Amino acid sequence: NAGVTQTPKFRILKIGQSMTLQCTQDMNHNYMYWYRQDPGMGLKLIYYSVGAGITDKGEVPNGYNVSRSTTEDFPLRLELAAPSQTSVYFCASNLFNEKLFFGSGTQLSVL
Amino acid sequence: QKEVEQNSGPLSVPEGAIASLNCTYSDRVSQSFFWYRQYSGKSPELIMSIYSNGDKEDGRFTAQLNKASQYVSLLIRDSQPSDSATYLCAVNRSGGSYIPTFGRGTSLIVHP
Repeated sequence: NAGVTQTPKFRILKIGQSMTLQCTQDMNHNYMYWYRQDPGMGLKLIYYSVGAGITDKGEVPNGYNVSRSTTEDFPLRLELAAPSQTSVYFCASNLFNEKLFFGSGTQLSVL
Repeated sequence: QKEVEQNSGPLSVPEGAIASLNCTYSDRVSQSFFWYRQYSGKSPELIMSIYSNGDKEDGRFTAQLNKASQYVSLLIRDSQPSDSATYLCAVNRSGGSYIPTFGRGTSLIVHP
């Protein structure tokens, strides 16, 4: 049972480049999330999804896009990367109102 | 007012002492509360969940919830150096979807 698989683990982007962070879960969870974590800070919600075909903005959605075509996958797209998007990104999933299962994180630097 | 507030610390306690971590939240109708531990460079992992007023104990950990005062706390008894980490409080917002909102975390240092 792999849980939540998140790729890549590390990435360096130049300003203006684009990339997609991949997230897959094999636990049949309806709920999936993308959080970012800046140094010394908690997790800030970027986007979330309550099921295939349904997504919604979180606290800090600007500069990001998501899609949820299947229950398993929830990719996060960064368009026109900016230095302010340098952060650690976590994908997570859960059943309704239960604990979160996290991916291993992606450390992203935009230079 | 932030939705979920924690003192960022660091909280420093000697080995064997009780560490007390606190969290307050603003949404009075929040239903579910979680404590996650995060080691440096790692993902958060669940320590405790609590849904009802009162205390919930699991080994050396006790979560305490007071919905009337809108706070939740985590007590760690017999603290060990391996408990040194950041502890994140998460509250599931009400309103249908129960989306988790996190505090900024409290850094705990347990010194020998």
